[in-house]
Amino acid sequence: DAGITQSPRHKVTETGTPVTLRCHQTENHRYMYWYRQDPGHGLRLIHYSYGVKDTDKGEVSDGYSVSRSKTEDFLLTLESATSSQTSVYFCAISEGKGGGTDTQYFGPGTRLTVL
Amino acid sequence: QKEVEQNSGPLSVPEGAIASLNCTYSDRVSQSFFWYRQYSGKSPELIMSIYSNGDKEDGRFTAQLNKASQYVSLLIRDSQPSDSATYLCAVNPSNQFYFGTGTSLTVIP
Repeated sequence: DAGITQSPRHKVTETGTPVTLRCHQTENHRYMYWYRQDPGHGLRLIHYSYGVKDTDKGEVSDGYSVSRSKTEDFLLTLESATSSQTSVYFCAISEGKGGGTDTQYFGPGTRLTVL
Repeated sequence: QKEVEQNSGPLSVPEGAIASLNCTYSDRVSQSFFWYRQYSGKSPELIMSIYSNGDKEDGRFTAQLNKASQYVSLLIRDSQPSDSATYLCAVNPSNQFYFGTGTSLTVIP
């Protein structure tokens, strides 16, 4: 299994509070991604990173920010959580070797509930 | 807009039968195609990748790619109850990956 961990694995929080989810990898992969998964919508990309301090937005980035200060860590922050952000969040990694042959591997996920 | 479409199912097959899962995509520049399996409450797990037109076999799984028709399929031979899961199709036209919403498969003992 790819060495990807996510913390916390479960979290319940209240509307308006800040929340930070952490993704940690031991594979030294260049690319890291945050997705959310909701019924009927599949996996949707929130943000991704292509290197330390290099990040870009995905299709559902509003209300989320990210940071990557080290190769192995990618943080997702909900500045002020809303009930619409209740979801399962997955971190993923890929080597970023180019050539169209990259493969993506997923962490175990974080289930976030915003009350 | 890069889109990946799958029949959401549910697809039910008897144990031992062949399960056929299909996926179409809209971005012609896509070079890499993937099938992930996701058990309920778990994360997606890569089961097949395919890059060239034609068939690729791995055990009971066969991925088929037709770039001209923009579809990729997954065949599961000798389906087992343990194959019951949601199967996600993904394409990678760049360093972003685009996923379908998944097809739910149930293998009936």
